[in-house]
Amino acid sequence: GAVVSQHPSRVICKSGTSVKIECRSLDFQATTMFWYRQFPKKSLMLMATSNEGSKATYEQGVEKDKFLINHASLTLSTLTVTSAHPEDSSFYICSARDAEGTGELFFGEGSRLTVL
Amino acid sequence: SQQGEEDPQALSIQEGENATMNCSYKTSINNLQWYRQNSGRGLVHLILIRSNEREKHSGRLRVTLDTSKKSSSLLITASRAADTASYFCATDAWGNTPLVFGKGTRLSVIA
Repeated sequence: GAVVSQHPSRVICKSGTSVKIECRSLDFQATTMFWYRQFPKKSLMLMATSNEGSKATYEQGVEKDKFLINHASLTLSTLTVTSAHPEDSSFYICSARDAEGTGELFFGEGSRLTVL
Repeated sequence: SQQGEEDPQALSIQEGENATMNCSYKTSINNLQWYRQNSGRGLVHLILIRSNEREKHSGRLRVTLDTSKKSSSLLITASRAADTASYFCATDAWGNTPLVFGKGTRLSVIA
């Protein structure tokens, strides 16, 4: 079945640095990918919709300059957390829909970011 | 995106008992899905029920959907300690749209 791969699964960084998380659709093309954030013991909150070849659409309250999204190809979207701070520590999960196939939506394994 | 509500927020039961979790949502849906998440891990897809379905079974899982009440329930029968996890419902609209997750239920099954 279709798979979405997310990398890295864990990252620890110092405050002020930037971190890039990759989300790849392995055997289908995804014109749209979705990025979620999950704080401890909370649910998944949609951060933004990543659109191939155009600007991402951000949910209310999500800073677009803080969370840079680039969807440069039909199989890859990246989320860059810029100038990370401890409050950005969270679990980030991407998902992509196999819109040309079954229409099913697949999730990556998630990336746990810890900012020291 | 608007999240649905799930209740209970936390549920603690003995092994062998049944666990029931409920989910309510606000908008029209194409389907509703239930996911499981172990602490610190990714999501595991459990079951999908379409808007024209009322009940679905998968192993020890039973899901119901009442679109008139905009609610769904997940029943886990004969629970096991390994069922301890957080459970989320997520609604799926039509088109290339994201899933909208409920707040989740943290289930603890005590051996």
